[in-house]
Amino acid sequence: GENVEQHPSTLSVQEGDSAVIKCTYSDSASNYFPWYKQELGKGPQLIIDIRSNVGEKKDQRIAVTLNKTAKHFSLHITETQPEDSAVYFCAASKGTGNQFYFGTGTSLTVIP
Amino acid sequence: GAVVSQHPSRVICKSGTSVKIECRSLDFQATTMFWYRQFPKQSLMLMATSNEGSKATYEQGVEKDKFLINHASLTLSTLTVTSAHPEDSSFYICSARDSSGTGGPDTQYFGPGTRLTVL
Repeated sequence: GENVEQHPSTLSVQEGDSAVIKCTYSDSASNYFPWYKQELGKGPQLIIDIRSNVGEKKDQRIAVTLNKTAKHFSLHITETQPEDSAVYFCAASKGTGNQFYFGTGTSLTVIP
Repeated sequence: GAVVSQHPSRVICKSGTSVKIECRSLDFQATTMFWYRQFPKQSLMLMATSNEGSKATYEQGVEKDKFLINHASLTLSTLTVTSAHPEDSSFYICSARDSSGTGGPDTQYFGPGTRLTVL
């Protein structure tokens, strides 16, 4: 089955700096890679996703890159703000109807 | 759009009782819903996949007789924890797949979660 690894487990950055979270996956058949933000006591919120036919996707301060050859994908947050502080999860899926395999999460703290 | 609600948000019950958690897709139809369990500071663990009008598919190690799942309509799935015990205390989260949404058929939207405490 699929194995998703996520690094780092914790990350602290100064407000305004960039944050990068990396994930690797094992199953080359995976073709959908979403990123979720989870605040304390709440459910995960989809923030960005990418499919295997695209190498990069950007939405304002958030971007995701995918390297299919190396089987890794990364979340980039620029100009970080205190409200970006949360736990971020990556996931991999083989597509429609298939389950998500989640990474172990990264606790991001943005220091004002 | 793509909002998923859960009810209740918190529940405290005595050991041996049953608890029902509802998961609703508010503005889309969800043929598939998923139930997850999350322990403190850990990742999400898939418990079962719920398809409208058919039996749920449970992950290995999840007791189907203990965690009853019903997906009777395209907007509602329920998880019933039967004869709950303290070890069932956890954060339960559902998600729904919006197959017809702009996000594409793969996208899952999560509910806010239900904190279950069994005394």
